[in-house]
Amino acid sequence: GQNIDQPTEMTATEGAIVQINCTYQTSGFNGLFWYQQHAGEAPTFLSYNVLDGLEEKGRFSSFLSRSKGYSYLLLKELQMKDSASYLCAAIDSNYQLIWGAGTKLIIKP
Amino acid sequence: GAVVSQHPSWVICKSGTSVKIECRSLDFQATTMFWYRQFPKQSLMLMATSNEGSKATYEQGVEKDKFLINHASLTLSTLTVTSAHPEDSSFYICSARWEDRETYEQYFGPGTRLTVT
Repeated sequence: GQNIDQPTEMTATEGAIVQINCTYQTSGFNGLFWYQQHAGEAPTFLSYNVLDGLEEKGRFSSFLSRSKGYSYLLLKELQMKDSASYLCAAIDSNYQLIWGAGTKLIIKP
Repeated sequence: GAVVSQHPSWVICKSGTSVKIECRSLDFQATTMFWYRQFPKQSLMLMATSNEGSKATYEQGVEKDKFLINHASLTLSTLTVTSAHPEDSSFYICSARWEDRETYEQYFGPGTRLTVT
C-alpha cells in the first residue's frame, strides 16, 4: 500500500531551527511536496523536490533522498507565525498526491 | 499566477437542503481539479478527482450520489452536497492542477466552511 509517515506534533523555540521528517512508500514516485497549513486555512505551497538533494528557499529548505524514501523540511530562525501544520505529499505513478497526516508545529517564545 | 477561488467562503444550511460550492481557477486552465474535506484537527481527505468533460473519480467511501461534482469547463468545478446532514459539516477545499507545468503542484482554493444545522 501507499503510505506517508511524519510526526504528529513538534515543539520548537522562537529563533531556533527545526527539522520535520517525512518517509514515504508509493507506487512509483514523481516528486514530493511540502505544504504549510494554518488553522482554518487552506494549504499553501512551500517546496517541491524530485531530485536528490537540498533545495533552499529563504528560511525554509527541503531535502529528498529517493533511495531512502525520505524527505525533511528544515525551518530556520523560527518565528511565531511559523506555528502551523506542515503537510508532506508524494506524487505516485498516476500523478496523484498521497498526503501525510501533517505535523503540527508549535513555536514557543 | 495560479490563483484558485472558492465560493462561498462559508455557508450555514438546514439539514436536508443542498449546497453548491464553486471552485474556479482564475488565471490558468485546469483539466484536473480535486475536492478535499478536512475535519477539525485532521488531515486533508481526498474526496474525488474532477476531470473536465468527464465523470469525477470518487475515493472509496465517498458517496457519489450525495456529493455531486461537475467540471463543465477548464476553469470551473462545482461540488453539490445533496440532502446535507450535520455530519457533513466540514471544511471543503478544492485544488487545481496547472497541467502545463510539469511539477504537478496543486493550487488550493481558500476553502469553504459548511455548517449543517
